[in-house]
Amino acid sequence: GENVEQHPSTLSVQEGDSAVIKCTYSDSASNYFPWYKQELGKRPQLIIDIRSNVGEKKDQRIAVTLNKTAKHFSLHITETQPEDSAVYFCAASKTGGGNKLTFGTGTQLKVEL
Amino acid sequence: EAGVAQSPRYKIIEKRQSVAFWCNPISGHATLYWYQQILGQGPKLLIQFQNNGVVDDSQLPKDRFSAERLKGVDSTLKIQPAKLEDSAVYLCASSLIIGPGEQGRNTIYFGEGSWLTVV
Repeated sequence: GENVEQHPSTLSVQEGDSAVIKCTYSDSASNYFPWYKQELGKRPQLIIDIRSNVGEKKDQRIAVTLNKTAKHFSLHITETQPEDSAVYFCAASKTGGGNKLTFGTGTQLKVEL
Repeated sequence: EAGVAQSPRYKIIEKRQSVAFWCNPISGHATLYWYQQILGQGPKLLIQFQNNGVVDDSQLPKDRFSAERLKGVDSTLKIQPAKLEDSAVYLCASSLIIGPGEQGRNTIYFGEGSWLTVV
């Protein structure tokens, strides 16, 4: 089955700096890659997603890039703010896989003042 | 738009006892999921329903876990008997459709979760 690895497990940045979280996946048939943000004690919330027919997608301060050849995708957050502090999860799924999401192990992002 | 509703939010039980969690998905969402999230880990799919049929239950420990979605709307996840390692957050989620489609139609929305502590 699919295996998703995520790095780093913790990330500390200064407010205003950029943060990058990287994920790799094992199943070359995976074609949908969402990113979820989970604040302490809260539900995971979708912040951005990308499909395999696109190499990059942006939404304000958040962007995701996908390299299908290398089977890795990354989340980029620019101009970080304290409210960006949370755990971020990457995930992957594929057509015919029943929409089943395989999640990474999460990255604890801390934005320091 | 109302989100995915779950209850109870918190439950503490002793090992070998039973527990049941309830989920009401977003209205009109055909696909319902139960995920288990152990502290410090990413969510892991336990079972997936399409309407009232099971699509995937390959990671459900069937000797102790069961789930049903009898009328294709609400769902119940039961654990009997519970073990210490079942301590986790049980997340219910739903999506409008299964598989590819128009942008956003297969987006998975999560509930707040049911926190289970087995002592």
